Amino acid sequence: GAVVSQHPSWVICKSGTSVKIECRSLDFQATTMFWYRQFPKQSLMLMATSNEGSKATYEQGVEKDKFLINHASLTLSTLTVTSAHPEDSSFYICSARDVGRTYNEQFFGPGTRLTVL
Amino acid sequence: GQQLNQSPQSMFIQEGEDVSMNCTSSSIFNTWLWYKQDPGEGPVLLIALYKAGELTSNGRLTAQFGITRKDSFLNISASIPSDVGIYFCAGSLISGGADGLTFGKGTHLIIQP
Repeated sequence: GAVVSQHPSWVICKSGTSVKIECRSLDFQATTMFWYRQFPKQSLMLMATSNEGSKATYEQGVEKDKFLINHASLTLSTLTVTSAHPEDSSFYICSARDVGRTYNEQFFGPGTRLTVL
Repeated sequence: GQQLNQSPQSMFIQEGEDVSMNCTSSSIFNTWLWYKQDPGEGPVLLIALYKAGELTSNGRLTAQFGITRKDSFLNISASIPSDVGIYFCAGSLISGGADGLTFGKGTHLIIQP
């Protein structure tokens, strides 16, 4: 149980285009999901907290108009990188919180590799 | 914001050796978690620690939540080739790890046969 998927697993796009990344909890409902970004050989950095049915909460320094988050259902959150530029190239990882567990643990997806040309 | 200092940054060991890594913080966390990440994949939870002083094992892995709530260590006994990867500690301000996590910079474990 507690499986989180992401789609696509990798994407290459041209500078200036927008890219949507999906995060799904496959066998549990997730009222809260988190989006992280990981640059090569670095740690994961929290970008935003995605709450079902409400606006996302962004970490300091993360532009909400550039990284649009939508959490329209209990099993799906999407991250849209708008007007992507090469500096947005990174590994984007989501996690979902399983409130059905004793400690509400969060489980991570396999990540999406974004390359902006 | 909070920062986690994880050490060592990398380890080169022989197969069968024991491994020890740790994380420290200048601020208190109420939950400590240890993850392993393989290249191109998301992190996988190894051990979760929810109470100060807690010592928890998962097979050959043992982790402890420091009494001060500002540190944690992870030990791996009798390392095997599949232990290769990057290990991250992570802290949560909310008990249970229900908020966004703060990650350490990782320990890259390399095992020489």
